[in-house]
Amino acid sequence: AQSVTQLGSHVSVSEGALVLLRCNYSSSVPPYLFWYVQYPNQGLQLLLKYTSAATLVKGINGFEAEFKKSETSFHLTKPSAHMSDAAEYFCAVEGNAGNMLTFGGGTRLMVKP
Amino acid sequence: KAGVTQTPRYLIKTRGQQVTLSCSPISGHRSVSWYQQTPGQGLQFLFEYFSETQRNKGNFPGRFSGRQFSNSRSEMNVSTLELGDSALYLCASSLDTSGRNYEQYFGPGTRLTVT
Repeated sequence: AQSVTQLGSHVSVSEGALVLLRCNYSSSVPPYLFWYVQYPNQGLQLLLKYTSAATLVKGINGFEAEFKKSETSFHLTKPSAHMSDAAEYFCAVEGNAGNMLTFGGGTRLMVKP
Repeated sequence: KAGVTQTPRYLIKTRGQQVTLSCSPISGHRSVSWYQQTPGQGLQFLFEYFSETQRNKGNFPGRFSGRQFSNSRSEMNVSTLELGDSALYLCASSLDTSGRNYEQYFGPGTRLTVT
């Protein structure tokens, strides 16, 4: 069974500051991990994915995430926040069943001018 | 290439009625998954169809069902609607030729309101 925990349902940063969104996972098989972003009244957009290749994964819009097996973590970072980054972010794990994502509860990112 | 499309985008139904939602995957994608998103329960997996067969199923009552057609388009049906079925229903498609390691692309969702 898989599970995902996102620490902090709301995160607020100033424009230009570092963004750090936390994700811890539990998986009975080597996990495939994903970060998605959701803007209001829209579906989910894939930011990046980890599929057992490089542990540091670079995604779109300047985001990246590092897979740390020892910490069972897959935190999302961006060096400098932009107002357009304000959205809800979801971490997800895919187990061995394929195409069956288990999502964390989401983190709403607010960016202050 | 066109993205995942879902129709209708918004729907209002009354308790006890049934509803059918439609999803057209990205051209060439054979796997279609459905998710329910609510403020209380978050994003939950409903089911996945691949080559017209249900391959995976989440923990939802039998009132929730789906199917996939030969052109990979999918529909989901909810019978005997309850107030708690009010949610955003998201469809996702994947290329998926070997089970894992394929990104899922999400549609904009259908917002269902049950009154």
